[in-house]
Amino acid sequence: GQNIDQPTEMTATEGAIVQINCTYQTSGFNGLFWYQQHAGEAPTFLSYNVLDGLEEKGRFSSFLSRSKGYSYLLLKELQMKDSASYLCAVGGGGGNKLTFGTGTQLKVEL
Amino acid sequence: DADVTQTPRNRITKTGKRIMLECSQTKGHDRMYWYRQDPGLGLRLIYYSFDVKDINKGEISDGYSVSRQAQAKFSLSLESAIPNQTALYFCATSVGFGSPLHFGNGTRLTVT
Repeated sequence: GQNIDQPTEMTATEGAIVQINCTYQTSGFNGLFWYQQHAGEAPTFLSYNVLDGLEEKGRFSSFLSRSKGYSYLLLKELQMKDSASYLCAVGGGGGNKLTFGTGTQLKVEL
Repeated sequence: DADVTQTPRNRITKTGKRIMLECSQTKGHDRMYWYRQDPGLGLRLIYYSFDVKDINKGEISDGYSVSRQAQAKFSLSLESAIPNQTALYFCATSVGFGSPLHFGNGTRLTVT
């Protein structure tokens, strides 16, 4: 089976940097995804890591360490519109099935 | 994302009723999924299909059934709805291994 752990809530200030951590235990790891979900809306894809290291995409970066079962999502130059839930999802157990964490609700304040 | 369309957007039904949630996609993806989302529990996989002739149970398939009528259509049925099936339901598609999921806008289902 798969177990994914991420903080429930985080608060940060507009313009700052925030790091959202995700730890996981899985059999047959085949990649880790981060999604953003605004309240009442569908999740949207942010990033994908399958090899160790940092993937950078504009203001968003994601890091993976397979040996530690650890990932983080880094958001820079925070904006109010970044207030959302951030979902960590791990692929494994065959095919393209994803197991999602419960999400981290990020609140960006002035 | 209008490429994955779910109907209805909202549905209120009574305990014991049979209902169907529909999903259609214009992305040409072979793989389709049904998830439910509950507060504090995250997204959980109900059923998934890798092509028209392939249907697989997810982690919480009891009380649900699916039909893959065509590559573009994947419907979810609740044979006899119960209140704890009240949730936000998402359909999603993907190209395949290592590719992201593309979600529909969701169906909010309330069972009274």
